[in-house]
Amino acid sequence: NAGVTQTPKFQVLKTGQSMTLQCAQDMNHNSMYWYRQDPGMGLRLIYYSASEGTTDKGEVPNGYNVSRLNKREFSLRLESAAPSQTSVYFCASSDPAGLNQPQHFGDGTRLSIL
Amino acid sequence: QKEVEQNSGPLSVPEGAIASLNCTYSDRGSQSFFWYRQYSGKSPELIMSIYSNGDKEDGRFTAQLNKASQYVSLLIRDSQPSDSATYLCAVTVSGTYKYIFGTGTRLKVLA
Repeated sequence: NAGVTQTPKFQVLKTGQSMTLQCAQDMNHNSMYWYRQDPGMGLRLIYYSASEGTTDKGEVPNGYNVSRLNKREFSLRLESAAPSQTSVYFCASSDPAGLNQPQHFGDGTRLSIL
Repeated sequence: QKEVEQNSGPLSVPEGAIASLNCTYSDRGSQSFFWYRQYSGKSPELIMSIYSNGDKEDGRFTAQLNKASQYVSLLIRDSQPSDSATYLCAVTVSGTYKYIFGTGTRLKVLA
C-alpha cells in the first residue's frame, strides 16, 4: 500500500531554473496539500486542493503554482527557483468528510537552490 | 491569524519515565486535533487523533483535549529511547479544509 508518493526525493537547482514536484495518492482522498518545512518554522501550507478541480492558496504561496491533475495527483511548480525556496517539501492527503480526518504524508522532497 | 504553539524543547526524560508534551491553539472553532511524530530526516507520522474533550488512550500514548482552555497534550508512558523525535501538534482550521501545525517539541529519552 503506497499511500502518498512524492517524486523526486532530492533535487538541486540553480537560481532561475524551473521544476515540478509530483505527488500521487492511492487512498481515494479528496483533499491534497503541499507544505514546506524549514528549521524552526514548522510545516507551512503552500497550496491545497480541497477536492478535484479546486485549488487555494495557503500561508506561503508566492513563487509557486499548483495543478490538481485528477483526484490522485497534485503537482507543485517552481517557475523561477530562488535560494529562499531551499526547503523540504511534503505532500499530504486527507478525506475531510465530517470531522476532519488526519493527513497522511509523503516521504518529502529535499530541494536545494544554489 | 490562527496559531498553534508548542515549547520547542528539547524535553529530556529518563528511560521509563512519563513524557508530557503540550500544545495550545487559538481557533476556538477547531474540531479535530492530531499528534504526529517526526524522526530527523523523515516525514510526519500520525500517532493520535482526538475530537472530543477528555482523554484518549492508545497503548503507551494518551492524548488529552480541553476545548475550553484550548489545550491539547500528549503523554507518553514508559518512554523509550526510540521515542526520541520531534512531536508535532496539528489542529484543523474551523470552516476550512486546512490544518495548522505547531513548530514541534523535540523529545530526548535518555537511556
